[in-house]
Amino acid sequence: GAGVSQSPSNKVTEKGKDVELRCDPISGHTALYWYRQSLGQGLEFLIYFQGNSAPDKSGLPSDRFSAERTGGSVSTLTIQRTQQEDSAVYLCASSSSGREADTQYFGPGTRLTVL
Amino acid sequence: AQSVTQLGSHVSVSEGALVLLRCNYSSSVPPYLFWYVQYPNQGLQLLLKYTSAATLVKGINGFEAEFKKSETSFHLTKPSAHMSDAAEYFCAVSDPRYGNNRLAFGKGNQVVVIP
Repeated sequence: GAGVSQSPSNKVTEKGKDVELRCDPISGHTALYWYRQSLGQGLEFLIYFQGNSAPDKSGLPSDRFSAERTGGSVSTLTIQRTQQEDSAVYLCASSSSGREADTQYFGPGTRLTVL
Repeated sequence: AQSVTQLGSHVSVSEGALVLLRCNYSSSVPPYLFWYVQYPNQGLQLLLKYTSAATLVKGINGFEAEFKKSETSFHLTKPSAHMSDAAEYFCAVSDPRYGNNRLAFGKGNQVVVIP
């Protein structure tokens, strides 16, 4: 079956612009996660959605970052007024539920470059 | 918060030799532990996971890992390296106290297989 998909695969933007990154989770998965992978910080948790519950936003690095999940499926991560330190690969993952032992299935990521 | 330590960012191993990647975690409660592999320009793929059942866990591609509570370790091994094992490997931990499955990752090991 189809895995997690993300778009675009690459995004180059200028400092100060806003960007939107999209994630399509595996159909039927109720839990969705965003992570960021950068050379300096490694893999970091950003935000978690589970069904209709309030998201866990504790990993978002600043208020320029926000995310939403519409209809319990597709998610969009928005970065406003991008900075060069936002350059990274943004990974989305989904799992069948939010239970701690569940396997997370990762998408291929969006590589963001801020010039 | 949970943390994961992976020593040695780059690991070189000869084809046919033992692969050993070390992972230590800090935790006051038994966590759930995962090893993921990342091939170039791809997302993360689960190799294996420990969820408090058997302490010796077998995964895909001939990998296995042993959970040792007394040593707070979850080292990954494979008896005989293959060229296709060249990739980056991440150890991750999930803390049951969060009530979700947000993962904390180690810095990763880039494995190079020497013919």
